[in-house]
Amino acid sequence: QVQLQESGPGLVKPSETLSLTCTVSGGSISSYYWSWIRQPPGKGLEWIGYIYYSGSTNYNPSLKSRVTISVDTSKNQFSLKLSSVTAADTAVYYCARGVGYCSSTSCAHGYMDVWGKGTTVTVSS
Amino acid sequence: AIRMTQSPSSLSASTGDRVTITCRASQGISSYLAWYQQKPGKAPKLLIYAASTLQSGVPSRFSGSGSGTDFTLTISCLQSEDFATYYCQQYYSYPPTFGQGTRLEIK
Repeated sequence: QVQLQESGPGLVKPSETLSLTCTVSGGSISSYYWSWIRQPPGKGLEWIGYIYYSGSTNYNPSLKSRVTISVDTSKNQFSLKLSSVTAADTAVYYCARGVGYCSSTSCAHGYMDVWGKGTTVTVSS
Repeated sequence: AIRMTQSPSSLSASTGDRVTITCRASQGISSYLAWYQQKPGKAPKLLIYAASTLQSGVPSRFSGSGSGTDFTLTISCLQSEDFATYYCQQYYSYPPTFGQGTRLEIK
């Protein structure tokens, strides 16, 4: 079955850019939405954004000015970049597969059915 | 953004109990609601989507109901492995948003 694995530095300095990659195995990256979600220590879940396999993106307005999500279909990977990080960006970062749903007029990202194990990123000098 | 509010924030129960967790949306979301279970140090696991559809492989003691603004997750007969934190998530509009979580603890 499909598995997701996050990778990237566990420590990032303030004001620098956080970069993470999610590798999709056991299935194709095509035909799904691919999301990033984070969870600060002891807190709840925050959706960061998604990329559709075709390359279209949608970001949480609270982070939009600092977020870039990209996809490499040849490697079955998608990536997150979060710029100008502060201590408030310290969190466990998850990648997840989003299942789309369609109305009569459009399709959109729905729920997330497969998640990576998560990777802890600490922002500290 | 649509605000999702869960109640209670924490709950103590015993194995064999029936428990219900409530999730309320700040505006109508039809049935575009999912429920997740998260255990300490683990990723969330999808339990229910479309408010009441059980994800494949999830035990039938879990059930969901509701539409519009009010939703419930019910666990009919608690097992030891069910003690965890539960989150609801709306996907009616962007950005998808989660409830603050309900921590289910052993009494």
